[in-house]
Amino acid sequence: ELKVEQNPLFLSMQEGKNYTIYCNYSTTSDRLYWYRQDPGKSLESLFVLLSNGAVKQEGRLMASLDTKARLSTLHITAAVHDLSATYFCAGPFGNEKLTFGTGTRLTIIP
Amino acid sequence: DTAVSQTPKYLVTQMGNDKSIKCEQNLGHDTMYWYKQDSKKFLKIMFSYNNKELIINETVPNRFSPKSPDKAHLNLHINSLELGDSAVYFCASRDRGTDTQYFGPGTRLTVL
Repeated sequence: ELKVEQNPLFLSMQEGKNYTIYCNYSTTSDRLYWYRQDPGKSLESLFVLLSNGAVKQEGRLMASLDTKARLSTLHITAAVHDLSATYFCAGPFGNEKLTFGTGTRLTIIP
Repeated sequence: DTAVSQTPKYLVTQMGNDKSIKCEQNLGHDTMYWYKQDSKKFLKIMFSYNNKELIINETVPNRFSPKSPDKAHLNLHINSLELGDSAVYFCASRDRGTDTQYFGPGTRLTVL
C-alpha cells in the first residue's frame, strides 16, 4: 500500500528560526510536489521537483528531492509569520493521479 | 480572471438530497480532477478527466457521478447525500507543460 508520510504533523516555531519538513514515500517516484494551504483556502503550488537531486528555492523556502531515499524536504529559513500554513507534499507515484501526504501544519510564533 | 472556479462555495443540505458542484477552468488545460478533503485535512483524489474522457475513477461510491461537457468544465453530482459526504471538494486542472495542478477555491459541503 502506498504511503506518503510527512513529519512533523504539527510544527510550532519561532520567527527567525530554521526548520525542515520531511516527506517520505513508500514507492518509486521520479517527481514530487509541494503545496501550501492557508486555513479555509485552496491549495497553492509551491514547487515541482522533477528529478533526483532537484533543488528549488523561493524566498525563505527550499525544497529538495532524493528519489533513491524516497525523501523530499522542505526547508524554512528564518521563518516569518506569513509562512504559517499547512504544507503538503504529493507525488504521482507511477500513475496519473496525485497522492498527497498527511500535511504539516506550521505555526510561526512571533 | 479566476483560473479555476467552483460553485457554490458553500453547500448545506439534508441527508438524502441530490446536489451538484460545478467547476470551470479558463487555463486551456486538458486534464481536470476532483479531490475530497476531509475534516482532518486529508486530501484524496476522486476522479480525473482528460479531454472529456474519464481516466481515473477511485474507489468512490457510485452516488458520485462526474460529468465533463467540455474540457473546460468538470461537474460533480452527488445522489442520496450521506453525513460522511461532508467535506471540502476541490476541483483542479493540470498544466502538462509545467506538470502543475491548479486548484479551485473549494466547495464546503455540509450534510445535516
